[in-house]
Amino acid sequence: DAEITQSPRHKITETGRQVTLACHQTWNHNNMFWYRQDLGHGLRLIHYSYGVQDTNKGEVSDGYSVSRSNTEDLPLTLESAASSQTSVYFCASSEAGDVSGELFFGEGSRLTVL
Amino acid sequence: DQQVKQNSPSLSVQEGRISILNCDYTNSMFDYFLWYKKYPAEGPTFLISISSIKDKNEDGRFTVFLNKSAKHLSLHIVPSQPGDSAVYFCAASVGQGNTPLVFGKGTRLSVIA
Repeated sequence: DAEITQSPRHKITETGRQVTLACHQTWNHNNMFWYRQDLGHGLRLIHYSYGVQDTNKGEVSDGYSVSRSNTEDLPLTLESAASSQTSVYFCASSEAGDVSGELFFGEGSRLTVL
Repeated sequence: DQQVKQNSPSLSVQEGRISILNCDYTNSMFDYFLWYKKYPAEGPTFLISISSIKDKNEDGRFTVFLNKSAKHLSLHIVPSQPGDSAVYFCAASVGQGNTPLVFGKGTRLSVIA
């Protein structure tokens, strides 16, 4: 079965460290997204990509970067982790031709920045 | 400015009764609306959607109603079951899915046996 996987599922890091969260999907979807979930804020868009070499900023992109070198992967990098980036991060993908924009989510990566 | 609003952070319903989750939006360009369900320690999963050209969509126990003039949609779950206890997110998209989904803050539903 096609799926979307995130790693690591849990990570603890220190302020100022660089962190990369991996996202890999086997749906062959062109569209991939990163959201963060925080209490009182719901799901907020960080970055997204509509295909290889395409990246776009979302609502809360400051302090994050992504790169898309192939269809399957969209890693999310925190260049210098801050305590405000403690959150649960969800990667998602969707079909380019789906008019609803329905997303298929990974199981999430819980990041704690101390 | 929040474009998709779920004003009730939580809702408790008895098993067998109807659950009604509400969602309001401000962007009149939204043309697709989706509901996602999320259990703890799992990713959100798609539940049901509705196009702006419809006012109702039904799938088993789940029905979504759309009132475009009021910029309001609701999710009805009948009958509610303990397994429905989860966080429900309302989401919307513009332009035939060509823009990322915008999510509300979510409503935590507790179905009490």
